Amino acid sequence: NAGVMQNPRHLVRRRGQEARLRCSPMKGHSHVYWYRQLPEEGLKFMVYLQKENIIDESGMPKERFSAEFPKEGPSILRIQQVVRGDSAAYFCASSPRLGQENIQYFGAGTRLSVL
Amino acid sequence: QQQVKQSPQSLIVQKGGISIINCAYENTAFDYFPWYQQFPGKGPALLIAIRPDVSEKKEGRFTISFNKSAKQFSLHIMDSQPGDSATYFCAASKGSARQLTFGSGTQLTVLP
Repeated sequence: NAGVMQNPRHLVRRRGQEARLRCSPMKGHSHVYWYRQLPEEGLKFMVYLQKENIIDESGMPKERFSAEFPKEGPSILRIQQVVRGDSAAYFCASSPRLGQENIQYFGAGTRLSVL
Repeated sequence: QQQVKQSPQSLIVQKGGISIINCAYENTAFDYFPWYQQFPGKGPALLIAIRPDVSEKKEGRFTISFNKSAKQFSLHIMDSQPGDSATYFCAASKGSARQLTFGSGTQLTVLP
């Protein structure tokens, strides 16, 4: 059973460009979460999605950031007009259907560098 | 504010020693407390987790101690090994919210 797959692993963008980060959850998982990790810091929640629905986006910046999890295909985190402060590691996690324990399995992350 | 405070920031332990990492939380609605292990360049991996209805959970060399009244929980790594050298994160969530609130991490180094 393949784990959570994220691509690309590394992404370099110049200021003002767009960044698209992809996440394929574990097989059978219908819940996807995105987290951001700045250097030397813990992970910060950004958004929680189920298929075709955004459930909680309380951690998403109000501008330039968007996320989707279509019926078919991976979840996408999109950052428009990137700035240097967007440089971070972005992790996706997935979990199976709702249960008593909120077990989240993480991908290896996408390291975004903004020049 | 939903915070989880973690200490120490870094920890150096001799091989065979006990590593202890502490976390404290504020939100009494939290009902799930996992610990994650992260190696450089990798994503966090679930290590062990506990719910507030038990005071201790042990899996192999890893033990979580939980003090509900003090709103604190800790990770103990017995017989620490160089392969345990990694960054450890505590986290917390409340059932309906689903999102994990992470501590700031502890970089553990186990000397051979």
